[in-house]
Amino acid sequence: DGGITQSPKYLFRKEGQNVTLSCEQNLNHDAMYWYRQDPGQGLRLIYYSQIVNDFQKGDIAEGYSVSREKKESFPLTVTSAQKNPTAFYLCASRTPAGNTIYFGEGSWLTVV
Amino acid sequence: AQSVTQLDSQVPVFEEAPVELRCNYSSSVSVYLFWYVQYPNQGLQLLLKYLSGSTLVESINGFEAEFNKSQTSFHLRKPSVHISDTAEYFCAPRTGRRALTFGSGTRLQVQP
Repeated sequence: DGGITQSPKYLFRKEGQNVTLSCEQNLNHDAMYWYRQDPGQGLRLIYYSQIVNDFQKGDIAEGYSVSREKKESFPLTVTSAQKNPTAFYLCASRTPAGNTIYFGEGSWLTVV
Repeated sequence: AQSVTQLDSQVPVFEEAPVELRCNYSSSVSVYLFWYVQYPNQGLQLLLKYLSGSTLVESINGFEAEFNKSQTSFHLRKPSVHISDTAEYFCAPRTGRRALTFGSGTRLQVQP
């Protein structure tokens, strides 16, 4: 089945540790995105990538890093510099024609 | 500055009643508009979209939305809701960099 797979679904991290969230898609989409969702708020764009080996900062990139070495993969690293990392993280990719964005099931990150 | 506004954070409604979830966007954004639905602890699912052509668009589960350029609105409606429609709904215009900007969401609570 085609789709976007995010892992892990739930992740706990100690303060001061980096953590990497995985996002894999087999839809052959060029563009991929990472959003953050906090309770009672909409989604905010962290990073996006239009093509392999290229990515751009979104609205809230501070404390995050990404890589795009393969078309299928767009991992997000939440670094210790991110002051409030506890949130729901959503990965997405866009159809080649550019009209529709599809989402993965999300990853819950909790800092303990 | 935010380019989309969802006017109601919560909308309680009885089963089989009609509902309207309101969305207004700034005129500076692209005219491509989307509604997504999010069930608890899940990613976002595309509900319907306006790209061009007919200003009234429909989803497979009875929702519809109308693009109103003069009022810069894209309200979501359903003539008769079901318990299973309980979810959070997000309006999202497509911005110039082809990423979606999300509203803060409207929580639809369908009561028996």
